Amino acid sequence: GAVVSQHPSWVICKSGTSVKIECRSLDFQATTMFWYRQFPKQSLMLMATSNEGSKATYEQGVEKDKFLINHASLTLSTLTVTSAHPEDSSFYICSARRVAGTGDTQYFGPGTRLTVL
Amino acid sequence: GQQVMQIPQYQHVQEGEDFTTYCNSSTTLSNIQWYKQRPGGHPVFLIQLVKSGEVKKQKRLTFQFGEAKKNSSLHITATQTTDVGTYFCAGPSNAGGTSYGKLTFGQGTILTVHP
Repeated sequence: GAVVSQHPSWVICKSGTSVKIECRSLDFQATTMFWYRQFPKQSLMLMATSNEGSKATYEQGVEKDKFLINHASLTLSTLTVTSAHPEDSSFYICSARRVAGTGDTQYFGPGTRLTVL
Repeated sequence: GQQVMQIPQYQHVQEGEDFTTYCNSSTTLSNIQWYKQRPGGHPVFLIQLVKSGEVKKQKRLTFQFGEAKKNSSLHITATQTTDVGTYFCAGPSNAGGTSYGKLTFGQGTILTVHP
């Protein structure tokens, strides 16, 4: 159990375009999802917390107008990188929070590798 | 703010040798979680420890939570090439009072196993 999918797995786009990344929890409902960014050989950097039915909470230094987050249902959150530039190239990973008898854990999607030319 | 430090950053071992990574938090944690990320992959949840002094085993992996609930360790006995990857510890973030499940990740330990 606890499967999270992410689409697309990789994307190459031109500078100035917008890219939408989807994160889905396939076998459980997640009122909270998280979006991370990861650079090579580095840890996960939390960008924002996505809450179903309300506005996302962004971490300090993350531009909310550039990284638009929508959590439309209990199984879907989307991250849109608007007007992407080469410095936005990175590995973006989502996770879904699952609270169950076994504890409060996060299950990660497979990630999206974004390359902006 | 809360910090989760993890050492070592890198570890190279020969297949069959043991491996340990250590995690220390600047604050007391209600629980600690461990994740493994294979090269090119995404973090995969391994385990969650909740109780002070708790020790849990998964085959060759032994996880320990310190008595003060501020430190933890992951020990792998007789490493195999399949153990290669980055191991992260993570604790609930206490920033702003209500975490809603937010985690603070350690920097990770990159394990290389030479056959």
